[in-house]
Amino acid sequence: SQQGEEDPQALSIQEGENATMNCSYKTSINNLQWYRQNSGRGLVHLILIRSNEREKHSGRLRVTLDTSKKSSSLLITASRAADTASYFCATDAQGTSGSRLTFGEGTQLTVNP
Amino acid sequence: NAGVTQTPKFQVLKTGQSMTLQCAQDMNHEYMSWYRQDPGMGLRLIHYSVGAGITDQGEVPNGYNVSRSTTEDFPLRLLSAAPSQTSVYFCASRNRAGGTDTQYFGPGTRLTVL
Repeated sequence: SQQGEEDPQALSIQEGENATMNCSYKTSINNLQWYRQNSGRGLVHLILIRSNEREKHSGRLRVTLDTSKKSSSLLITASRAADTASYFCATDAQGTSGSRLTFGEGTQLTVNP
Repeated sequence: NAGVTQTPKFQVLKTGQSMTLQCAQDMNHEYMSWYRQDPGMGLRLIHYSVGAGITDQGEVPNGYNVSRSTTEDFPLRLLSAAPSQTSVYFCASRNRAGGTDTQYFGPGTRLTVL
């Protein structure tokens, strides 16, 4: 089964509102990353948070990490129609021959103009 | 830099056929991976490589082989295609130098197995 699970599966909001997506994972991690995917395209890296960090900011993005609860959240503030995409969390954990990055199933965000 | 390139973009196979999906990167990244994405789903890790000559299995390795003879190339081989392997395949290379950790994805190969 996949390491990360996103919640909600789908989110629909109006432009200007904030969007919050959550990710839970199962094992110890080195870091957690968030990616964005526009329909049918490859994923694009958004932000990384290390296991010893609790909060990171990048522009309109805010990521939190709670290692005791094995969960993370991604907040997009003042959303725009162009933010419409799927968002995935990815966890970096140790594999047999090095760290491996595994993805959750994603949250589909729709921002209505 | 071309980044991560994948060929072909689209492919249709018959059950039992074999083929190789090509992936190349020109960023000198040691770490490369293959994922598959089924409709409405997340990415599942098939195989990954932490450097030339080193490969390892991911979450769903059955039916696929990989090799890593050079830093630049990481081909994925389907041994005997099955309809369950119909999916979009993404190759990625990962930059872990200088304290960063960012994965760069190719545009994907859309595979249909009849």
